[in-house]
Amino acid sequence: GAVVSQHPSRVICKSGTSVKIECRSLDFQATTMFWYRQFPKQSLMLMATSNEGSKATYEQGVEKDKFLINHASLTLSTLTVTSAHPEDSSFYICSAELPGQGVNTQYFGPGTRLTVL
Amino acid sequence: SQKIEQNSEALNIQEGKTATLTCNYTNYSPAYLQWYRQDPGRGPVFLLLIRENEKEKRKERLKVTFDTTLKQSLFHITASQPADSATYLCALRSNAGKSTFGDGTTLTVKP
Repeated sequence: GAVVSQHPSRVICKSGTSVKIECRSLDFQATTMFWYRQFPKQSLMLMATSNEGSKATYEQGVEKDKFLINHASLTLSTLTVTSAHPEDSSFYICSAELPGQGVNTQYFGPGTRLTVL
Repeated sequence: SQKIEQNSEALNIQEGKTATLTCNYTNYSPAYLQWYRQDPGRGPVFLLLIRENEKEKRKERLKVTFDTTLKQSLFHITASQPADSATYLCALRSNAGKSTFGDGTTLTVKP
């Protein structure tokens, strides 16, 4: 149980185009999902918290107009990188939160490698 | 400011030995702590969760301890195997609901 998928796993695009990444919780409903960015040999950097049915909460320094997040259902959140540039090239990982007895565990997707040429 | 430190960036041990990874934190009062494993080019995989009122948790060859006085968690892998080689992340979860991740320790188990 607690499986999270991401699509696509890898994407290469030209500078100036927009890229959409999907994050799905396959066997549970997730009110809250998170989007992270990870650079090589560095830890996860939280970009935003995605709440179903409401606006995402962005971390300081993350441009909400650049990284559009939509959490339209309890099993799907999407991240759209708009007008991508080479500096947006990174590994993007989502997680979905599974509530428990007083604890919430994040289950991560396999990640999406974005390369902007 | 809140800070999480995971012992060394890299840890090399011989197969069969016990690997011990450390997670220290300051200026933080976590409700619970989680350990994850991450392989290169993959998302983290959840391993264990330990609450602030728990001292120790075990799962197969894994053991986690949590000392809120020392502000430290130790993660042990007994009878380590080359397949245990990966980066291990600790994550602290506050009552406010946000998780903060450490930078990770890369474990290499040599045959």
